[in-house]
Amino acid sequence: DTEVTQTPKHLVMGMTNKKSLKCEQHMGHRAMYWYKQKAKKPPELMFVYSYEKLSINESVPSRFSPECPNSSLLNLHLHALQPEDSALYLCASSQDSGQGEYEQYFGPGTRLTVT
Amino acid sequence: TQLLEQSPQFLSIQEGENLTVYCNSSSVFSSLQWYRQEPGEGPVLLVTVVTGGEVKKLKRLTFQFGDARKDSSLHITAAQPGDTGLYLCAGAGNAGGTSYGKLTFGQGTILTVHP
Repeated sequence: DTEVTQTPKHLVMGMTNKKSLKCEQHMGHRAMYWYKQKAKKPPELMFVYSYEKLSINESVPSRFSPECPNSSLLNLHLHALQPEDSALYLCASSQDSGQGEYEQYFGPGTRLTVT
Repeated sequence: TQLLEQSPQFLSIQEGENLTVYCNSSSVFSSLQWYRQEPGEGPVLLVTVVTGGEVKKLKRLTFQFGDARKDSSLHITAAQPGDTGLYLCAGAGNAGGTSYGKLTFGQGTILTVHP
């Protein structure tokens, strides 16, 4: 099973709202990722968690706050977003194999629209 | 900074034609992954190539990793409308000596196969 699930599928929020995106995997992977993707562009890395600890923050604005409650779950808390933050937000996970094959498995994404 | 140049950016062909997508870099990657993404969905991993000179076949898709592990190609034989989508190559490095490494994405190839 190589499934990564994400909820919600779609989200519309105002600039003053607080919302959260959720991601879950049951593959025993120890690394989880958040990406932002604009239409017809490649995904842009936002955060990486390894063994439930934040290991990479790609200079993401503080209005995005990641959280990893356990090894299977990853959240992205959103607050005071801007219209330009509208995008497809993708979660991914990979096995911490140490063999150089960093296969990442992506979820279906959350389509976020900020009004 | 590792960069992956992917070409062509757009490809519009008729059903039954063959096509090749290229990813080139001046950097060496420990592995390279190819993804296919449909609109509104997450990228789906097609293949990972690890060994220089490696060739992998997936039905009508043939993937090749350059001898020096700096470039890769995806060849599709007898394209079908179902092959339509965004194709992404992504090189895996080694971030900070850990095994979860960041992916370097190419800019993507938008393929449209007309019936």
